[in-house]
Amino acid sequence: AQTVTQSQPEMSVQEAETVTLSCTYDTSESDYYLFWYKQPPSRQMILVIRQEAYKQQNATENRFSVNFQKAAKSFSLKISDSQLGDAAMYFCAYRSAYNNDMRFGAGTRLTVKP
Amino acid sequence: GAVVSQHPSRVICKSGTSVKIECRSLDFQATTMFWYRQFPKQSLMLMATSNEGSKATYEQGVEKDKFLINHASLTLSTLTVTSAHPEDSSFYICSAGRTVNTEAFFGQGTRLTVV
Repeated sequence: AQTVTQSQPEMSVQEAETVTLSCTYDTSESDYYLFWYKQPPSRQMILVIRQEAYKQQNATENRFSVNFQKAAKSFSLKISDSQLGDAAMYFCAYRSAYNNDMRFGAGTRLTVKP
Repeated sequence: GAVVSQHPSRVICKSGTSVKIECRSLDFQATTMFWYRQFPKQSLMLMATSNEGSKATYEQGVEKDKFLINHASLTLSTLTVTSAHPEDSSFYICSAGRTVNTEAFFGQGTRLTVV
C-alpha cells in the first residue's frame, strides 16, 4: 500500500518570506498523481497544486510551486512571499492512476508571523 | 466548477440514534466518492470509497454495519452513522472525483456530536 510521509508537524515563516514543506511517499506504481491541499481553520479542504507523475516539469500556481523528485519519491511545496492567509494545515496526498486509492500525509501546520 | 456540497455542517444527536450525512457533487458527475474521518489536529482517515451503483469498499477497521454508505447516483452519496455513540463524535468529510485520473474535491465537512 502507498504511504505518504510529512516529517514536519509544524512550520513557521515570516510574512513575505519563503517556506518549503516536505513530503515523501512510497509506491511501486509508475503512474500516479500528487497533490497539496490546504485546510484553513474553516476545515474546508482546498486544492493548492497538483502534479502528474509522468510530467518532469514542476507544477507552479502563482506563489506555490513544487519540487518533484520522482526517483527520490519526494514532493515538496514551496510557498513564496508568504501571506497571513497562507496559515493553515497543509496535507500532501497521493492518488493512484490505476484505482481509486488516495492517501494523505499527517499534515504540516504552517504559521505565518506578521 | 467542481463544487461538492456536504450537509449538514453540524449535527448533534442522542446516543443510540442514527444520523445521515449527504454529499453532493453540484456541477459534475462523480464516479467515485470518498468518506473520511478527521480527529482534532490529525490527518484525514479514509473510511470508505464508493462507486456509483456498487457497494462501498471499506478500509480495514471500519465497521460497515455502523457506517452505511450509499452511492445511488452520480451526484449523491450518503453516510449513515447507525446507533451513534459518543465515540463516533468527529469531523466527517466527503470528497468526489470525476474520474480516477483527477483530483478529488471536498465538501465542507460535518461536525457530528453524539450526546
